Amino acid sequence: QVQLQESGPGLVKPSETLSLTCTVSGGSVRNYYWSWVRQTAGKGLEWIGYIHDTGSTNYNPSLKSRVAMSVDMSKNQFSLKMSSVTAADTAIYYCARVSPTVWRWFDPWGQGTLVTVSS
Amino acid sequence: DIQLTQSPSFLSASVGARVTITCRASQGISSYLAWYQQIPGKAPKLLIYAASTLQSGVPSRFSGSESGTEFTLTISSLQPEDFATYYCQQLSSYPYTFGQGTKLEIK
Repeated sequence: QVQLQESGPGLVKPSETLSLTCTVSGGSVRNYYWSWVRQTAGKGLEWIGYIHDTGSTNYNPSLKSRVAMSVDMSKNQFSLKMSSVTAADTAIYYCARVSPTVWRWFDPWGQGTLVTVSS
Repeated sequence: DIQLTQSPSFLSASVGARVTITCRASQGISSYLAWYQQIPGKAPKLLIYAASTLQSGVPSRFSGSESGTEFTLTISSLQPEDFATYYCQQLSSYPYTFGQGTKLEIK
């Protein structure tokens, strides 16, 4: 079955750019939407945005000015970049597959990766 | 943004009990609602989508229903592995949002 695995630095300095990659195995990135969600104790689960294999994106307006997503079909991966990070961006970051149908759902999810923003 | 309010935030119940978790949307979302289960240290797991459709492989003791802007997740007979935190998510309009979670603990 499809499995997702996040990877990237666990520590990012304030004002720098957070970069994460999600590798998809057991299936193709084609024909699906791919999303990033983060989780903090204070704000709970927060949807960051998604990207389709065609490259079309939809970002949470609260993060839109700092976020960019991309997909690499040759590597079966998609990525997240978040610029100008602060301590408030410290969170567990999850990648997830989004159904392409009218009835949307997020499944499966990656195991999550903790990103800490600190100098 | 559409706000989702879950109640209760904490729930204590015994194995074998029937429990109900409610998720209220701040405006109409049709049936664009999903439920997830999260065990500590793990990623959320999809249980139900389209308000009442059980995801493949999820036990039939889980069910979902809706009435207007109020959505309900019911577990008919709690099993030890069901003690976790449950979240609702609306996928009706952007940005997608989640409820604050309901933590289900063993009594």
